[in-house]
Amino acid sequence: NAGVTQTPKFQVLKTGQSMTLQCAQDMNHEYMSWYRQDPGMGLRLIHYSVGAGITDQGEVPNGYNVSRSTTEDFPLRLLSAAPSQTSVYFCASRPQTGGNQPQHFGDGTRLSIL
Amino acid sequence: SQQGEEDPQALSIQEGENATMNCSYKTSINNLQWYRQNSGRGLVHLILIRSNEREKHSGRLRVTLDTSKKSSSLLITASRAADTASYFCATGRGGSQGNLIFGKGTKLSVKP
Repeated sequence: NAGVTQTPKFQVLKTGQSMTLQCAQDMNHEYMSWYRQDPGMGLRLIHYSVGAGITDQGEVPNGYNVSRSTTEDFPLRLLSAAPSQTSVYFCASRPQTGGNQPQHFGDGTRLSIL
Repeated sequence: SQQGEEDPQALSIQEGENATMNCSYKTSINNLQWYRQNSGRGLVHLILIRSNEREKHSGRLRVTLDTSKKSSSLLITASRAADTASYFCATGRGGSQGNLIFGKGTKLSVKP
C-alpha cells in the first residue's frame, strides 16, 4: 500500500511555464484535495474533489486547474507559473463517508518559480 | 482564511517533559483534528475529536475540546526527541465536503 504518491518531489520552473503536479492514491478514496504550504501560513486549500468527474475550488484556486477522470488520480496544473506560486504543494485523500475522517497526505512537491 | 490559530508558535522542551499546544478557532465545527509534520515530510494524522466530545486519548497524546471557548489543546506526555516536529490543528464542518481548515502550526523541539 503506497498511500498518496506525489511526483515530482522537486521542480524549478521559469515564470510563464506550465506544468502538472501528479497525485495518485491507492486507497480507493473518493475525496482528494490539493493544498499549498507557505512559511508562516499553514496549509491553504487550492482545489478539491469528492469523486471522479467532480471538482470544486478551495480558498486559493487562482492560477491552478484540476481534473478528476479516475478515482486514483488528481493532477494539479499550473497554467502560467508566477513567482507567487513558489511553495510546497501537498495532495491529500480520505474516504468520502462524511467529513469525520482523517486525511492522508503525500510527501509534497517543492516548487520554485524563477 | 485561517480558522485555527495555534499557540505557542514555537516550543522548546527537554526530553521527558510534557508539551502542551493550544488551538483556537472562530466558527462552529463538526470535528477538530491534530496533525504532525516532520521536516520535509507530509502531514500525519494524530487524533480526531468530535464536537460532542470533551477529551480523547491516544497513547501519549491527550486532546481536549471546549466548544464554548472555541479552543482545543494537545498534550504530549513524556516527550521524546522523535516528537520534534510541527503540529497543526485543523477544523472540519463535516458534511459531504468535509474540507479542513488548518492553523499555522506549533513548532516543537524536544532536546535530548
